[in-house]
Amino acid sequence: ETGVTQTPRHLVMGMTNKKSLKCEQHLGHNAMYWYKQSAKKPLELMFVYSLEERVENNSVPSRFSPECPNSSHLFLHLHTLQPEDSALYLCASSQGGRVSTDTQYFGPGTRLTVL
Amino acid sequence: AQSVTQLDSHVSVSEGTPVLLRCNYSSSYSPSLFWYVQHPNKGLQLLLKYTSAATLVKGINGFEAEFKKSETSFHLTKPSAHMSDAAEYFCVVSDANSGGYQKVTFGTGTKLQVIP
Repeated sequence: ETGVTQTPRHLVMGMTNKKSLKCEQHLGHNAMYWYKQSAKKPLELMFVYSLEERVENNSVPSRFSPECPNSSHLFLHLHTLQPEDSALYLCASSQGGRVSTDTQYFGPGTRLTVL
Repeated sequence: AQSVTQLDSHVSVSEGTPVLLRCNYSSSYSPSLFWYVQHPNKGLQLLLKYTSAATLVKGINGFEAEFKKSETSFHLTKPSAHMSDAAEYFCVVSDANSGGYQKVTFGTGTKLQVIP
């Protein structure tokens, strides 16, 4: 389907659990992104990594903790989430750099439900 | 600062009739503009993008969009809707960010319903 994969596709967790979302891109890109997609709200950019360095943290609560061990992998560690964190979490990658013409390639998303 | 407004949250058309999904943007610079499509329980897929070359951009699946700077618009059209076009469509504006990465703003989306 695309060169960006995400696991798991669905996740149900309690508020006291710790879990991680994984994203992997096979496109040779240098930038990776985490987005949150909630019903009736625009896509919200959470984090941006460029060349494995975090360059954007868009006022995201500390219960979300990203990790980018290399340019192909991106994780989102989840801890003591709230029910309002239930959403579709999308990962994307792009060639990277300052160019505005970059296309972002999206994974299929992880549907997260917090009970 | 940049923003994007999708003027219709829902659009309903009959199969075989034209599709028009409206998008207006604002940007301090010369932006790039994109349309993405999202089918249920799927990620976003690029339909087309404008990057300051030809103002009429052709994309996949028969879609096209015209960049009109004077109207700050980038409307998406298709001459004849197909049942498989039923999905949610997102208009996106992009600038280069002074922090060294691409700054992207998504619209709120337009859900397209195609009636048999």
